[in-house]
Amino acid sequence: AQKITQTQPGMFVQEKEAVTLDCTYDTSDPSYGLFWYKQPSSGEMIFLIYQGSYDQQNATEGRYSLNFQKARKSANLVISASQLGDSAMYFCAMREVSGGYQKVTFGTGTKLQVIP
Amino acid sequence: DGGITQSPKYLFRKEGQNVTLSCEQNLNHDAMYWYRQDPGQGLRLIYYSQIVNDFQKGDIAEGYSVSREKKESFPLTVTSAQKNPTAFYLCASTRRGSYNEQFFGPGTRLTVL
Repeated sequence: AQKITQTQPGMFVQEKEAVTLDCTYDTSDPSYGLFWYKQPSSGEMIFLIYQGSYDQQNATEGRYSLNFQKARKSANLVISASQLGDSAMYFCAMREVSGGYQKVTFGTGTKLQVIP
Repeated sequence: DGGITQSPKYLFRKEGQNVTLSCEQNLNHDAMYWYRQDPGQGLRLIYYSQIVNDFQKGDIAEGYSVSREKKESFPLTVTSAQKNPTAFYLCASTRRGSYNEQFFGPGTRLTVL
């Protein structure tokens, strides 16, 4: 079974509109962390936002917010007021402890294109 | 400035040759990771290391080897046993015991001719 599932291979959004990128995860570990990264065409991985499994509040970082629904095992990324520079690949990732080691698993990504 | 460096940025090798990708960090991070990314795909974990002289296989370790002789360095060797080595390789690090984000290097694009 996939640990991290991103079901949207590609998304379009109008500039200045909000967009939600979906992410569901699968783990039996009660303690885990969820991340979103942005990867522009240059290839670098840019950290956007983090949510801990015990955090009560949804994480927010500027125009990014994480809609964390623990019971549904979903961690959707919401980007408000989209900008042309937001066009990139977006990856959801989860950190777990396995055998005493921390391991991070990434989803397959969503390609976001912002339309002027 | 603290960060992760990977060299070279582009690497070409002939089929059947071993090649070593460099990864160095000056963030004083304990844990380091190697990922492989194929075009249009996500990142897949090759190897990871939590402390010096210790490392673990990830999901696609076959055909790769690593060493961790120093905290700052985690080189990855792509051996001739790796059947399809052409890919983008990313190195990352994080503080052990932390659930904070991984810091990534700029990546090495390996092409087998």
